[in-house]
Amino acid sequence: DGGITQSPKYLFRKEGQNVTLSCEQNLNHDAMYWYRQDPGQGLRLIYYSQIVNDFQKGDIAEGYSVSREKKESFPLTVTSAQKNPTAFYLCASRPPLGHSGNTIYFGEGSWLTVV
Amino acid sequence: GDSVTQMEGPVTLSEEAFLTINCTYTATGYPSLFWYVQYPGEGLQLLLKATKADDKGSNKGFEATYRKETTSFHLEKGSVQVSDSAVYFCALGPTGNQFYFGTGTSLTVIP
Repeated sequence: DGGITQSPKYLFRKEGQNVTLSCEQNLNHDAMYWYRQDPGQGLRLIYYSQIVNDFQKGDIAEGYSVSREKKESFPLTVTSAQKNPTAFYLCASRPPLGHSGNTIYFGEGSWLTVV
Repeated sequence: GDSVTQMEGPVTLSEEAFLTINCTYTATGYPSLFWYVQYPGEGLQLLLKATKADDKGSNKGFEATYRKETTSFHLEKGSVQVSDSAVYFCALGPTGNQFYFGTGTSLTVIP
């Protein structure tokens, strides 16, 4: 099935530990995004990438890092510098402009909890 | 900058009631407008969209019209069901390769 796959669904992080959330898409989409959602709140953009080997910071990039080595993959690392990482993380992607590229599609999300 | 403002929740309705969730936007260009729905513990699913002024998006009994003169994209449904209980997000984009989301409106439909 075509889609956006995030893993793991649930992840626990100890203080001072880096963790990586996986996001894979087989939709041949160019652009990929990471958002953070806190309970009862809207979405805040962490990072986005338009093409392989290129990415831009969003509104809340501090304490996070990303890579885009393959078109299909856009992993997010939550570093120990992120002081309040407990949240729901959403990965999204968008087709190329001219191919319904004005619409963004989401994965199922990953819950990260600090223990 | 571009932004979306949507009605504060939560909203509680009885089954078969009429639903309106207000959404207004600010945009410098001519973005597309969207409504997404989020069920508990899940990602956002596209509910409907409109790509230009006066377009009406519709899906599963929901509809919204892109109103440039009032900069609005209100979501409506004539008769809600218990299964419509979810959080609804209004969004616009892409502008500068980004999308902008409202803060979400929680809807609970009671039998």
